Amino acid sequence: AQKVTQAQTEISVVEKEDVTLDCVYETRDTTYYLFWYKQPPSGELVFLIRRNSFDEQNEISGRYSWNFQKSTSSFNFTITASQVVDSAVYFCALSEAVFNGPTGKLIFGQGTTLQVKP
Amino acid sequence: NAGVTQTPKFQVLKTGQSMTLQCAQDMNHEYMSWYRQDPGMGLRLIHYSVGAGITDQGEVPNGYNVSRSTTEDFPLRLLSAAPSQTSVYFCASSYSPAAYNEQFFGPGTRLTVL
Repeated sequence: AQKVTQAQTEISVVEKEDVTLDCVYETRDTTYYLFWYKQPPSGELVFLIRRNSFDEQNEISGRYSWNFQKSTSSFNFTITASQVVDSAVYFCALSEAVFNGPTGKLIFGQGTTLQVKP
Repeated sequence: NAGVTQTPKFQVLKTGQSMTLQCAQDMNHEYMSWYRQDPGMGLRLIHYSVGAGITDQGEVPNGYNVSRSTTEDFPLRLLSAAPSQTSVYFCASSYSPAAYNEQFFGPGTRLTVL
């Protein structure tokens, strides 16, 4: 069954610390896409990154980086030198290309609440 | 571009009342969907539509109806509200239902059913 697990419910760090948010997924499909979304206190969902199952290169965007490992079915997200503005709920999500067909269905993890203290 | 808009932002209903949550997008997106967000459960898909006139059920469709008469609008109807439907509702859209497409989310509607 398709599933996304974010085992860390809440993480609290002090500003400038590095923090890694874990995401583990289960899928039957060989072609799939993984996403990270950020939900700041204002409530909207903001797209951060998309990764397809054939591309295992790590990605870095400023202070954000993502580590995709098919061998462990993980797609972890690291924030380097965290800032107070990074405080938010972060969701990892899975979209399958074949088994779910063209449904656009996103399977979300439970979310990790990150609190960055000054 | 307004993106994805949702109305109302907040709503309080009594058990048994009905209402419609509105969702509109101005990006000419083919695909639209409704999710509900509950604490500790992430977002779960209620209904989705791959184009005007076509809708289908998601993971948690019971108690909700949808229709898609135009590309732009995708209203969600609660037929007889129940306290279990207290949640935050998000509408999303994307260019097509293909798995690789980024979905754009509306600001959400916070619904309380007493």
